[in-house]
Amino acid sequence: QKEVEQDPGPLSVPEGAIVSLNCTYSNSAFQYFMWYRQYSRKGPELLMYTYSSGNKEDGRFTAQVDKSSKYISLFIRDSQPSDSATYLCAMNNNAGNMLTFGGGTRLMVKP
Amino acid sequence: GAGVSQSPSNKVTEKGKDVELRCDPISGHTALYWYRQSLGQGLEFLIYFQGNSAPDKSGLPSDRFSAERTGGSVSTLTIQRTQQEDSAVYLCASSSPFGAGSSYEQYFGPGTRLTVT
Repeated sequence: QKEVEQDPGPLSVPEGAIVSLNCTYSNSAFQYFMWYRQYSRKGPELLMYTYSSGNKEDGRFTAQVDKSSKYISLFIRDSQPSDSATYLCAMNNNAGNMLTFGGGTRLMVKP
Repeated sequence: GAGVSQSPSNKVTEKGKDVELRCDPISGHTALYWYRQSLGQGLEFLIYFQGNSAPDKSGLPSDRFSAERTGGSVSTLTIQRTQQEDSAVYLCASSSPFGAGSSYEQYFGPGTRLTVT
């Protein structure tokens, strides 16, 4: 079993929909939680990060972390076709050098 | 400013040949990471450099893989005697040394797409 699990999708939604992307993990030592967006044939770009549990909002994006359930989420409000990409969750512990990534969820937002 | 750059963008090589992949990190970033992304998969950590410290090589899949970082800046990932299973996108990232937990803000290059025939 992988340390970080993520549904690969694809997830197809109409423009304007609310999108929910999720990851589960098994390592309770993880403290930092990140969401990356990756367009086709591009490198991942950091969208949001959260330390420990709680919510964080940035524009149309909201990240949630529930450490008790080892479950993190990314919500996208008013989704746009330009949001179509693969979304990768990533996490590490306080002393960790490398990030542990989920496999990514491919999102398609249709006009 | 300039982001992380990688070269070549694409590399096709024959099985058994050696390849070198290059990464130029963001100026001032002391931490540099190499990851591998296979088709439809997440990123797999390979190696991490931080300043003058000994690199963390714990993710290298075999002794055919090696990496160096000269002058604390440019890094080269070398794969010897390439195999078809080495075909993947190799991504480089760098991060700033400032602040606790800075390793979470990793900035990625566009990657090198390696195909071993």
